[in-house]
Amino acid sequence: AQSVTQLDSHVSVSEGTPVLLRCNYSSSYSPSLFWYVQHPNKGLQLLLKYTSAATLVKGINGFEAEFKKSETSFHLTKPSAHMSDAAEYFCVVSDAGNTPLVFGKGTRLSVIA
Amino acid sequence: KAGVTQTPRYLIKTRGQQVTLSCSPISGHRSVSWYQQTPGQGLQFLFEYFSETQRNKGNFPGRFSGRQFSNSRSEMNVSTLELGDSALYLCASRARGDTEAFFGQGTRLTVV
Repeated sequence: AQSVTQLDSHVSVSEGTPVLLRCNYSSSYSPSLFWYVQHPNKGLQLLLKYTSAATLVKGINGFEAEFKKSETSFHLTKPSAHMSDAAEYFCVVSDAGNTPLVFGKGTRLSVIA
Repeated sequence: KAGVTQTPRYLIKTRGQQVTLSCSPISGHRSVSWYQQTPGQGLQFLFEYFSETQRNKGNFPGRFSGRQFSNSRSEMNVSTLELGDSALYLCASRARGDTEAFFGQGTRLTVV
């Protein structure tokens, strides 16, 4: 069965500094991996997805993630944080197209001015 | 293209009552999933419907049920509400053959 572990429940960065949100996954198959963002009282928005093409995936708003099979990791990064990046971020795994998405517990990102 | 629409956005119900939530997926999407989000448990999968059939089911009691109509719109019902059912209920749709899900804004259910 697949699972996701987000290694930090809360990350705080200063505006303009890099962001690193860590995610490890477990999957029996070649997984699809996603990062979603949730702003307060909003639904979830897809940031980026990995589906066995390029291991470095670029998403919206300057975010990117690298799939590392040997480390079973899919960490999310951004070179320079912006105040509007403050939100909850979820790492998600899916084994195949017809299986439910499995969510990590989320990482709350705070951005300090 | 319109996104996923959930109604109502907010609900307040009393323990013991039942509630029905509605979800209209993105046009052309035939898969609709429901998730419960709480501060303690995070996002938990309830069930998924595809072409009016329940395809996957999470680990929730039978009080939680759903259905999907021929136009792919979906409803979920919770009977005999408990205080612990207070949560944000999120609906997501997926196009056939794709794996990423597109989420609605959610319905905030408060049980008092």
